[in-house]
Amino acid sequence: DTGVSQDPRHKITKRGQNVTFRCDPISEHNRLYWYRQTLGQGPEFLTYFQNEAQLEKSRLLSDRFSAERPKGSFSTLEIQRTEQGDSAMYLCASSLAASADEQYFGPGTRLTVT
Amino acid sequence: GNSVTQMEGPVTLSEEAFLTINCTYTATGYPSLFWYVQYPGEGLQLLLKATKADDKGSNKGFEATYRKETTSFHLEKGSVQVSDSAVYFCALRSFWGTGNQFYFGTGTSLTVIP
Repeated sequence: DTGVSQDPRHKITKRGQNVTFRCDPISEHNRLYWYRQTLGQGPEFLTYFQNEAQLEKSRLLSDRFSAERPKGSFSTLEIQRTEQGDSAMYLCASSLAASADEQYFGPGTRLTVT
Repeated sequence: GNSVTQMEGPVTLSEEAFLTINCTYTATGYPSLFWYVQYPGEGLQLLLKATKADDKGSNKGFEATYRKETTSFHLEKGSVQVSDSAVYFCALRSFWGTGNQFYFGTGTSLTVIP
């Protein structure tokens, strides 16, 4: 069991640049979630996929953010024209649809926008 | 709306002390409730859950009871160990709409000293 992995673990970028993060869920999990966590706060839901379909998006997800899961396996989260307020930890989690209460989280990607 | 409020930390206890971390919630409908734990350098892990009123979730000596009348889900452990040092997050899963948004509290940091 390799768990949920995320790449990169850390990313430093200049304001205005685009960044892309990758999440590889546990292989048999058909649900995949993205969260954002800022310092001193809990994770905030951004979006989730069931297989390749993006079924729900939070109002937090501005139009600069886009997520994909093209083959129902790994997912990418892209942020265009990054702003300093985008600095946060971006967490990915996966689960089986049949046991959606039990999410397994990855270690996160820490984004710093300078 | 949906939200979770949990006791602010940090909390420092001596080994074998009794632990309570308070959590209250507001929710549309009847949510499922969770405690997640994040050990240093690791991703969030599900600690325990309860899916309906008066259910008690338990794991690793930790317990929490779903109290609908007080909208609470307080985490307790009778005798903490140094290895319990971690950040604890209370969360709910709302079944309003598609029922797949999770809402997390801000986290409570626990340090147990020998």
